[in-house]
Amino acid sequence: GQNIDQPTEMTATEGAIVQINCTYQTSGFNGLFWYQQHAGEAPTFLSYNVLDGLEEKGRFSSFLSRSKGYSYLLLKELQMKDSASYLCAVVDSNYQLIWGAGTKLIIKP
Amino acid sequence: IAGITQAPTSQILAAGRRMTLRCTQDMRHNAMYWYRQDLGLGLRLIHYSNTAGTTGKGEVPDGYSVSRANTDDFPLTLASAVPSQTSVYFCASSWDRDTGELFFGEGSRLTVL
Repeated sequence: GQNIDQPTEMTATEGAIVQINCTYQTSGFNGLFWYQQHAGEAPTFLSYNVLDGLEEKGRFSSFLSRSKGYSYLLLKELQMKDSASYLCAVVDSNYQLIWGAGTKLIIKP
Repeated sequence: IAGITQAPTSQILAAGRRMTLRCTQDMRHNAMYWYRQDLGLGLRLIHYSNTAGTTGKGEVPDGYSVSRANTDDFPLTLASAVPSQTSVYFCASSWDRDTGELFFGEGSRLTVL
């Protein structure tokens, strides 16, 4: 079967750095997305990786290792507004999006 | 403002009733999707449409139907609602099924009693 694993919940301190991991086992790979979802709201796009390496976008970076079936989302200089769920999703060989259950990130002052 | 609009935002429904969730996008995206989101589970695809006039089944299609008469609209119908269909439903769209970022509507919270 296809599987996406993310930690259920993480806690971090305002101003700090946090890394949210995502491991996947899918039938093929055609890219990996990270989305942010604030409570009661719709998911919004953060990043897309299809090649190995690090993609940086402001305070957020996303890393991919296809050989290890592994990605992480790195959030720097955490702000209270970063409290949200972070969803990892992989595009499989049939171009179907397989979603992880999401990681709830709690930011403390 | 361009985007996706869903209606209703929230609904309580008696089991056995018929319900249609509406979804409209004005971005001229080809592909549209309906997902349900339940606590502890990832987004699960119910139905999708690659382009106007075509639809396909996703991971959890049973009990749901869709139509895509034009580019903009993609309604989801529950023919006879059951309590297990209590969920938050998200409509989404993208330029093409094979590519890119999904744009989501604000969601419809449905409770079936």
